[in-house]
Amino acid sequence: DAGVTQSPTHLIKTRGQQVTLRCSPISGHKSVSWYQQVLGQGPQFIFQYYEKEERGRGNFPDRFSARQFPNYSSELNVNALLLGDSALYLCASSLTGYSGNTIYFGEGSWLTVV
Amino acid sequence: AQSVTQLDSHVSVSEGTPVLLRCNYSSSYSPSLFWYVQHPNKGLQLLLKYTSAATLVKGINGFEAEFKKSETSFHLTKPSAHMSDAAEYFCVVSEMYSGGGADGLTFGKGTHLIIQP
Repeated sequence: DAGVTQSPTHLIKTRGQQVTLRCSPISGHKSVSWYQQVLGQGPQFIFQYYEKEERGRGNFPDRFSARQFPNYSSELNVNALLLGDSALYLCASSLTGYSGNTIYFGEGSWLTVV
Repeated sequence: AQSVTQLDSHVSVSEGTPVLLRCNYSSSYSPSLFWYVQHPNKGLQLLLKYTSAATLVKGINGFEAEFKKSETSFHLTKPSAHMSDAAEYFCVVSEMYSGGGADGLTFGKGTHLIIQP
């Protein structure tokens, strides 16, 4: 079975642009979460979605938004990119998103803002 | 609110010797605790998880961790280090609000494990 898949794997954007990152969860998983990992630090929680509804949001500005589709895939959008948005963006999936669930991560999308 | 403190940013051991990576946590609710490993330029792989069952948790690749509520600790150990264990290790806590909301996973800052030949 395929794991969590993310696209694109690498991308370079200019300050002020917008970016969309995509994630497909493991088959059967209904919860998707997004994390930002800046170089040298642990991942930071951005969003969690379950059954197409936002369940949780981390401490990120409104420039960050996300959505989950009927097939449980998800997109993360970041508007008005800043240099500080350069990071590895990780998508994670789990069955329901409850705290006891095992959470599986994708390989991530490396975003560089120049 | 939940938080995680990994007590060592770097740990260096010789191949074949024991590994100890230390983690303390804080949680308002009954937490779930995890250890993840990240090899260079890779995503995160789950090593093991604790979810209020047995306090000694066995994971993959010979790793195990012991949940100690009185000490709010969840240290990761391995009896004998292998060169392939060199990586970044993250201690992670997760809790769910009674209303069903979520703060997601809270990661520690990571411990870089170095294996000396």
